[in-house]
Amino acid sequence: AQSVSQHNHHVILSEAASLELGCNYSYGGTVNLFWYVQYPGQHLQLLLKYFSGDPLVKGIKGFEAEFIKSKFSFNLRKPSVQWSDTAEYFCAVRVLGGSYIPTFGRGTSLIVHP
Amino acid sequence: DTAVSQTPKYLVTQMGNDKSIKCEQNLGHDTMYWYKQDSKKFLKIMFSYNNKELIINETVPNRFSPKSPDKAHLNLHINSLELGDSAVYFCASSLSIDTSYNEQFFGPGTRLTVL
Repeated sequence: AQSVSQHNHHVILSEAASLELGCNYSYGGTVNLFWYVQYPGQHLQLLLKYFSGDPLVKGIKGFEAEFIKSKFSFNLRKPSVQWSDTAEYFCAVRVLGGSYIPTFGRGTSLIVHP
Repeated sequence: DTAVSQTPKYLVTQMGNDKSIKCEQNLGHDTMYWYKQDSKKFLKIMFSYNNKELIINETVPNRFSPKSPDKAHLNLHINSLELGDSAVYFCASSLSIDTSYNEQFFGPGTRLTVL
C-alpha cells in the first residue's frame, strides 16, 4: 500500500532561519505530489504541487519543493521563515493508475519564534 | 465566494445522538471526499464520491453514512455518536477522480465534540 513519511513531527525555528521538511513516499510509479499548510484553526490550503516537468516547484509565500524521483522524495524548503509560517504542514501523494486518492503524511508541526 | 463550504463549523453533542454535517462545493468538481482529522492532526480518508457514486469507503464504522444528492453536495450522517468520533471533519473536492492533474480543495472543517 502507498505510504507517505514525514520525518520531522515537530520543528521549532527562530525567524529568518532556513526550513527544510522531509517527505518520502513508497510508490515507484507516476505520482502527483502536494504540500498543504494548515494554519491554527483553519483548513488545509495548497502550498505547491508537482505534476510533471521541472522537479523544482515554487509555491506561495516563498516556499519551494524539489522532487527527486530516485529518492522518492519531495522535500519542502523556505530560505527564511517568518512567525506567520507557524502551522501544520502536510505532504500528500496521489498515485496515477492506482486509487487516485491522495495519501497524506502525518504532518509536521512548525513553530517559528519571533 | 466560498469554494467548499461546510455546516456547521462546530458541533457539540451527547453520546448516542445522531448528527449530520453538510458539504457543498461550487467549483463544478466531480469528486468529493470526507476526511477525519484526529487530535494528533492525522488526516485520514473516510469516503470519496465521484459523480454521486461511492468509489472509496475506507474502514469506517457503518454508523457513518455519506449521502450525495447531487455532485455538488456530499453530506455525512453519523448515527449513535461515540466519544471516539470527536475530531475535525474536512470535506474536499477535486476536478475528477482519475484526471492526471488534480488537486483537492478543502472546506473549513467541522469540529465535532461528543460528550
